[in-house]
Amino acid sequence: QITLQESGPTLVKPTQTLTLTCTFSGFSLSSSGVGVGWIRQSPGKALEWLTHIYWNDNKGYSPSLMSRLTITKDTSKNQVVLIMTNMDPVDTATYYCAHLRASRSYEFDYWGRGTLVTVSS
Amino acid sequence: DIQMTQSPSSLSASVGDRVTITCRASQSISSYLNWYQQKPGKAPNLLIYGATNLQSGVPSRFSGSGSGTDFSLTIGSLQPEDFATYYCQQSYSNVMYTFGQGTKLEIK
Repeated sequence: QITLQESGPTLVKPTQTLTLTCTFSGFSLSSSGVGVGWIRQSPGKALEWLTHIYWNDNKGYSPSLMSRLTITKDTSKNQVVLIMTNMDPVDTATYYCAHLRASRSYEFDYWGRGTLVTVSS
Repeated sequence: DIQMTQSPSSLSASVGDRVTITCRASQSISSYLNWYQQKPGKAPNLLIYGATNLQSGVPSRFSGSGSGTDFSLTIGSLQPEDFATYYCQQSYSNVMYTFGQGTKLEIK
């Protein structure tokens, strides 16, 4: 059974750096065809893909946020970390991590519950 | 960048209706198109992958079609639990993914 859980601060100040951790079970990020992605959703808005990382350490970043994002994995801990710099109130959103099934059509087939991050002074 | 445009943005329908939501890509994405359902306060749930493949556990009243730039999600006979927001997502470029803006399906 695959599960994912996001953790990190619920409140950050403008200009601060956000670090979120996705801790997962039921799969290994060293297995071929597996990845983890981060997706966010501002209140009342659509889903926005941010970044993902594959088992082979290949990564993808949203072009509009690329300069502010870093994704890393720790296979031994079953964790993926998202770092977003220079946070702004417009970054207030629920942040989801999701299992990426890269062996088929690159779909997010399991999701965490999400964590709401508020950016405010 | 590949842009995804869904239509309509919102839709009112009744239980038992047949409903179709469309998604158009700004360039050909072959069959790399996925559909998700999201209910308020919940994480999205994968319905269809690879444009036409039903995800395990998803009711058979959901179906997907299309290839290239034009895709659709059809719900054969709406059930009360189907009222939600639906998103398409392209996965053609496995370096960059994009979601559509969503279609909110409401009860008439």
